[in-house]
Amino acid sequence: GDSVTQMEGPVTLSEEAFLTINCTYTATGYPSLFWYVQYPGEGLQLLLKATKADDKGSNKGFEATYRKETTSFHLEKGSVQVSDSAVYFCALVDTGFQKLVFGTGTRLLVSP
Amino acid sequence: DGGITQSPKYLFRKEGQNVTLSCEQNLNHDAMYWYRQDPGQGLRLIYYSQIVNDFQKGDIAEGYSVSREKKESFPLTVTSAQKNPTAFYLCASSPGLAVQETQYFGPGTRLLVL
Repeated sequence: GDSVTQMEGPVTLSEEAFLTINCTYTATGYPSLFWYVQYPGEGLQLLLKATKADDKGSNKGFEATYRKETTSFHLEKGSVQVSDSAVYFCALVDTGFQKLVFGTGTRLLVSP
Repeated sequence: DGGITQSPKYLFRKEGQNVTLSCEQNLNHDAMYWYRQDPGQGLRLIYYSQIVNDFQKGDIAEGYSVSREKKESFPLTVTSAQKNPTAFYLCASSPGLAVQETQYFGPGTRLLVL
């Protein structure tokens, strides 16, 4: 079945640093791709999504571009804040099995 | 405010006991889901339901049961057959039946075994 691979964390940054969290996928066809964020003790929230190749999803200063050539959907932010500290999950739609497939999550820690 | 509520926030289970986790949504969504989250792992799908009175097994359904008697409610029972139930349980819903639709998550229930 389809799968998602994320970089292992934690990713530790100082405030205002540039963020990249890598996500690559294996899938048949061209699935929709998502980034979800989980703040401490809470459920997941959709951060952004892209439904076709070359689409760029963006929200709250975060961006990710659907790259079918490299099967990637890396999350980026130009200047992180302490409030961005959370766990970030990359996910795709497995249309064959009609479900979302999640990566293992990457913890981001931002210090003042 | 529309959203998904889960209760309780923390739940303790004794050996051999069945426990039920509540999930309610007032978003008028058709589809609902239950996931299990373990430390350092992604979410794994337990059960999902696309319509009232119908539900399907996910990847790790053994030891769990669900019901969908009302559109807004999708309770999960962790039975005594689930030998390692300690985890964070997340309920989600989505507007329609297409799996491409965005899923909205509740705040979660943490289940601990005494």
